[in-house]
Amino acid sequence: EDQVTQSPEALRLQEGESSSLNCSYTVSGLRGLFWYRQDPGKGPEFLFTLYSAGEEKEKERLKATLTKKESFLHITAPKPEDSATYLCAVHAPNQAGTALIFGKGTTLSVSS
Amino acid sequence: DSGVTQTPKHLITATGQRVTLRCSPRSGDLSVYWYQQSLDQGLQFLIQYYNGEERAKGNILERFSAQQFPDLHSELNLSSLELGDSALYFCASSVSLGNYGYTFGSGTRLTVV
Repeated sequence: EDQVTQSPEALRLQEGESSSLNCSYTVSGLRGLFWYRQDPGKGPEFLFTLYSAGEEKEKERLKATLTKKESFLHITAPKPEDSATYLCAVHAPNQAGTALIFGKGTTLSVSS
Repeated sequence: DSGVTQTPKHLITATGQRVTLRCSPRSGDLSVYWYQQSLDQGLQFLIQYYNGEERAKGNILERFSAQQFPDLHSELNLSSLELGDSALYFCASSVSLGNYGYTFGSGTRLTVV
């Protein structure tokens, strides 16, 4: 069964304290791994797509990387406005249509 | 504003009732997805439509149904509601079947009492 597991469930950082979020997946024939950001009371906002091991994408203080078994979302010198829940999702060949399988997310809190 | 519009934002209803959630996709997007988000289960895929036709079904209960109309807006119908159906229901859209960078709406929070 295709699965996505995110860790930690929650992460508290001080402003400027860099860290990484983990997304491990068990998927046969990964077709893409996706990162989303979700603020309280809002829908997820698309951040990155990664397709193959070794690929990296960057956006401001965020950098996403992909290996054959997991993805990391690195947050460099975070600011309070980076506080949100970060969701990882995968698309696999045996997944219905073009739907994504989501992990439960990591809730990041950055204090000043 | 993401461009995906969901109404209503909040809905409180009693067990056994039926409700309809509405979604207008982002302009130009042909594919619509419905997801349910609960605290313990995370985001769960319900159903996908593309240009008016059903494309895929996920963990959607038989009490739930959906459709996409010629103007591309979509409705999710939930009937015989149970307490466990209380959740956030999100609609997302994408321009084509091969585009997975969905744009999500802000959701409808359903509370069944």
